[in-house]
Amino acid sequence: SQTIHQWPATLVQPVGSPLSLECTVEGTSNPNLYWYRQAAGRGLQLLFYSVGIGQISSEVPQNLSASRPQDRQFILSSKKLLLSDSGFYLCAWSAAGNQPQHFGDGTRLSIL
Amino acid sequence: GESVGLHLPTLSVQEGDNSIINCAYSNSASDYFIWYKQESGKGPQFIIDIRSNMDKRQGQRVTVLLNKTVKHLSLQIAATQPGDSAVYFCAETPFGNEKLTFGTGTRLTIIP
Repeated sequence: SQTIHQWPATLVQPVGSPLSLECTVEGTSNPNLYWYRQAAGRGLQLLFYSVGIGQISSEVPQNLSASRPQDRQFILSSKKLLLSDSGFYLCAWSAAGNQPQHFGDGTRLSIL
Repeated sequence: GESVGLHLPTLSVQEGDNSIINCAYSNSASDYFIWYKQESGKGPQFIIDIRSNMDKRQGQRVTVLLNKTVKHLSLQIAATQPGDSAVYFCAETPFGNEKLTFGTGTRLTIIP
C-alpha cells in the first residue's frame, strides 16, 4: 500500500533562517506531488505541484521554493523565512489529476 | 470556490442524527469531486469521491450527492458519532487538470 511521510511534525524557526521540509511517498511510481499551506482555521492554499522529476509548478508568488530531486521526494525550501510563512504545511500525492490526493500528517511551522 | 482567507462555517448535530454538509462550486467544467475530513492537527483524509457522470454515490455511512444543474455537492453522514467531529472540505477539478480546488470547509461538531 502507498504511504506518505512528512517531517518534522513541528518546527520553530527564527525569522531570516532557512527552511527545508521533506516529503516522501512509498508504494507508487511517478506520483503527482503537492505542497499546501493551511492557516489556522482556514482552507488549503496550493503552493506547488509536480507531475514529474524536476517539474515544478508554482501557484502563489512567495518566499518559498520547491524541488523534486527524486521521483517520490518533494522538498519545500526557503532561504530566509518571514513571519508570514508560519502555518501548517501539508504534502499530498495522487496517481493523476483526477484521482484523490492523499495527504501527509503535516508540519506545523512557527516563525519567531 | 477558493477557501483561502475565509472563516469556516459550523454545523452542530446531535449524536445519532444525520448530518448534511453542503458545497457550491462555480466551474461548469468540473468533472471530479471529492470530500475530505480533517481532524485537528492532522492532514485531510479522503472520504468519498464522485465523477460528473453520476449524481449519487454511497459509502459506509456516507452519501455524496451531485447536482450539476445548480453546481451543488453535498455530503450526508448517517447516524453521526463523536468521531465524526472534524472539518469537512469539498474539492473539485475539471477533466485533465492536475490540481484540486478546495472549498471553504465546514466544521462539524457532534453533540453527545
